[in-house]
Amino acid sequence: EAQVTQNPRYLITVTGKKLTVTCSQNMNHEYMSWYRQDPGLGLRQIYYSMNVEVTDKGDVPEGYKVSRKEKRNFPLILESPSPNQTSLYFCASKRQGANEQYFGPGTRLTVT
Amino acid sequence: DAKTTQPNSMESNEEEPVHLPCNHSTISGTDYIHWYRQLPSQGPEYVIHGLTSNVNNRMASLAIAEDRKSSTLILHRATLRDAAVYYCILSMGVSGAGSYQLTFGKGTKLSVIP
Repeated sequence: EAQVTQNPRYLITVTGKKLTVTCSQNMNHEYMSWYRQDPGLGLRQIYYSMNVEVTDKGDVPEGYKVSRKEKRNFPLILESPSPNQTSLYFCASKRQGANEQYFGPGTRLTVT
Repeated sequence: DAKTTQPNSMESNEEEPVHLPCNHSTISGTDYIHWYRQLPSQGPEYVIHGLTSNVNNRMASLAIAEDRKSSTLILHRATLRDAAVYYCILSMGVSGAGSYQLTFGKGTKLSVIP
């Protein structure tokens, strides 16, 4: 089944403790992206990657890092999480030249 | 980025057609019109997209005004499973970074009444 998977789905952590949210897609898509969703603010793009080893900032990149060493994986790294990074995070992927983006199921992160 | 305007909420009876409007008066010639929906507790899901002509797929139809300043997503027979937030989004082209970034607004929350 074609899908985007994210792990973990739920995470509660403390301020300053480094964490990684993984994202993987099995559709051989070139493009991958991370969004965060907050009440009243909609979904905002954090980082995106147009292909392996090519990443760029979205609208709200502060406090996040990404890497794209393999085509299928696009992990989101929070080196020193803070409470304002408490949010619902979505990973998405897209084939080059296509319009349709596929989204993962989301990761709900709480930073205390 | 060109913005879209949608009603905050709409209601429909089950098995009735639903017309979800979207205004995008500042759309540029290269902007595609996308519709995504987000069911409760799920990630957004692609519904349909178009550039100038009306489009149909298995989920919905997209009617685009001749001047492209507005569009309407049409669900032909609403079911309870169609209750979701529907987002109308403009995105540039089909290749390059501009086509990848989707700027989600607040969308229209569709309620379906049994």
